[in-house]
Amino acid sequence: EVQLVESGGGLVQPGGSLRLSCAASGFTFSSYEMNWVRQAPGKGLEWVSYISSSGSTIYYADSVKGRFTISRDNAKNSLYLQMNSLRAEDTAVYYCARGLTLVPWGQGTLVTVSS
Amino acid sequence: QSALTQPASVSGSPGQSITISCTGTSSDVGSYNLVSWYQQHPGKAPKLMIYEVSKRPSGVSNRFSGSKSGNTASLTISGLQAEDEADYYCCSYAGSSILYVFGTGTKVTVL
Repeated sequence: EVQLVESGGGLVQPGGSLRLSCAASGFTFSSYEMNWVRQAPGKGLEWVSYISSSGSTIYYADSVKGRFTISRDNAKNSLYLQMNSLRAEDTAVYYCARGLTLVPWGQGTLVTVSS
Repeated sequence: QSALTQPASVSGSPGQSITISCTGTSSDVGSYNLVSWYQQHPGKAPKLMIYEVSKRPSGVSNRFSGSKSGNTASLTISGLQAEDEADYYCCSYAGSSILYVFGTGTKVTVL
């Protein structure tokens, strides 16, 4: 069964940092592009970042460019999102999603940025 | 890149058909046949219902169908059922360095 499990969310103060992880199983992780998508409480979905299967190509939404870093470890079947200089508006559930069709998604991990 | 425009809410009675529109621009919806639709029940992760404008993943009911004309994509749910009550989001590939843009979301209510 294809499965994605996010972890690493929590409460952090404005200006702080957090690293999210996404553990993949049930498929050949190294063959797929991966994405992070987020959803602020009561709001819609927002694409955050993309990484190619090899990690050589990376894209970010303008809202996180320069603050967030996406990476992957194909040997560990894991995707990461390093989030620095966090702001209140980064508060959201963060999902990892596989491939260009964004399927499947993990269950999400909640990041709360508040003092 | 602005969000794609969807109606805030759409409602219908059981058995009826409803259509949700998703309006973008010539830079996203109008340029690529890479529009997808996601269903999200409260507290759950989004589920893919339609990809590449009109293709249905295995396991998704054939009551769900997608189409596109110009800069507007549409999701039609026929034979509306209580379980279809959820939020629906469209998503389009946008090329360049901003890969994906999502719609504003539509709450579907089954009366």
